[in-house]
Amino acid sequence: NAGVTQTPKFQVLKTGQSMTLQCAQDMNHNSMYWYRQDPGMGLRLIYYSASEGTTDKGEVPNGYNVSRLNKREFSLRLESAAPSQTSVYFCASRTIEAGGYSGDTQYFGPGTRLTVL
Amino acid sequence: GQSLEQPSEVTAVEGAIVQINCTYQTSGFYGLSWYQQHDGGAPTFLSYNALDGLEETGRFSSFLSRSDSYGYLLLQELQMKDSASYFCAVRDKDTGFQKLVFGTGTRLLVSP
Repeated sequence: NAGVTQTPKFQVLKTGQSMTLQCAQDMNHNSMYWYRQDPGMGLRLIYYSASEGTTDKGEVPNGYNVSRLNKREFSLRLESAAPSQTSVYFCASRTIEAGGYSGDTQYFGPGTRLTVL
Repeated sequence: GQSLEQPSEVTAVEGAIVQINCTYQTSGFYGLSWYQQHDGGAPTFLSYNALDGLEETGRFSSFLSRSDSYGYLLLQELQMKDSASYFCAVRDKDTGFQKLVFGTGTRLLVSP
C-alpha cells in the first residue's frame, strides 16, 4: 500500500513550457485534490475531484488544468508555465468515516518541487 | 466563507506540554482537523474532532468546542522531532464540504 504517489519529485521548466504532474492513490478514495504551497505559506487548493469523472476549481485554478483519469489517478497540467507557478505541489486523497462523525482524513503525497525560470 | 486563526509561532523545551489554539469562522461546520508538516515534507494528518470534547492519540490530544468555534491541539512530552508547523483546518460548506481550508499554521520550535 503506497498511499499517494506523485511524479516527478523535482522539475525545472522554462517560461512557456508545459508539463503534467502525475498523482495516483491506491486507497480507493473517491476525492482527490491538488494544492500548491509557496515558501512560508499555507496550502492553497488549485482543483479538486469529488469523484471519478468530476472536477472543480479551487482557490487558485488559473493557469492549470486537471484530469481525473480514473478513480486512482488525478493529473495536473501547466499549459504555459510562468515564474509565478514556482511552488511545491501536493496531491491528496480523502477518506471519510461514518459520514464524517468518526473521521475525515486527507492523505498527502510527497510533493513536486517545481521551479519555473 | 471560512477563516481560521492560529498563533504564528510557539516555543517550548523538550519534555514540556504545549497547546496550540485555533479559532474558526465557518458558515457550516463539518469538523476540525489538525495536520503536521515538517520543513520540506508533506502535511500529515494528526487528529479530527467532529463533536465537542477531547480526542487523544498517544502524546497528542485535540479538543473542540463547537459553541465557541474553538479548538486546540495539545502536545505532551515534547520531543525535538515535534518541531514542525501545525495547521488546523475545516471543510468549506460552499463546496459541499469538499474543500479543506487550512489556517496559516503555527510553527513549533522545541529546544533541548
